[in-house]
Amino acid sequence: SYELTQAPSVSVSPGETARITCSGDALPKQYAFWYQQKPGQAPVLVISKDTERPSGIPERFSGSSSGTTATLTIRGVQAEDEADYYCHSADSSATYVVFGGGTKVTVL
Amino acid sequence: EVQLVQSGPEVKKPGESLKISCQASGYSFSNYWTAWVRQMPGKGLEWMGIVYPGDSNTRYSPSFQGQVTMSADMSTSTAYLQWSSLKASDTAMYYCARQISGDNPLDVWGQGTTVTVSS
Repeated sequence: SYELTQAPSVSVSPGETARITCSGDALPKQYAFWYQQKPGQAPVLVISKDTERPSGIPERFSGSSSGTTATLTIRGVQAEDEADYYCHSADSSATYVVFGGGTKVTVL
Repeated sequence: EVQLVQSGPEVKKPGESLKISCQASGYSFSNYWTAWVRQMPGKGLEWMGIVYPGDSNTRYSPSFQGQVTMSADMSTSTAYLQWSSLKASDTAMYYCARQISGDNPLDVWGQGTTVTVSS
């Protein structure tokens, strides 16, 4: 089965930049989507189709993808950005849809 | 307003059956897939599968194939997730979410339904 790999945790000071990566063999062919989940809440889409920011998502959130790695970048991290972040994509034939294991972002 | 409203928390015993729901409003339910996502306590998100109300087409993750059944009722704009015989390991939060097609995001999520299975 297909897997997406994320680092378990990232720590960043307020105002700094957090970069969260997601690795998967099919990412050159499939979009990556990113979700933010705060404790006790449902996930929220923060980046669509590798780079698109949905309406209402702050400009400090951006996405990129190169080769087998997609990256979610949060510039000027704020305390409210402390959350779990999950990538979501499919295998090359779009048969298997998976989430990455999630990255916990801690704002120091 | 586009929203998905899920049924309330459930407490069940092992071996019992269960059907939870996800009611859509504010958009054309029949034109979007409804996905189901499991989150076990303290763990990450797991994609369980997807149902298309327009023709009741379903696709399951191999991990959940045969373990659950997904369905949808266009007359009430409601998607369902059901178990015939619950196990303690089914204890989790279950989310529904809408997706217009496979290369698009899960852009609207329900609030989640907590299922607790304990003897």
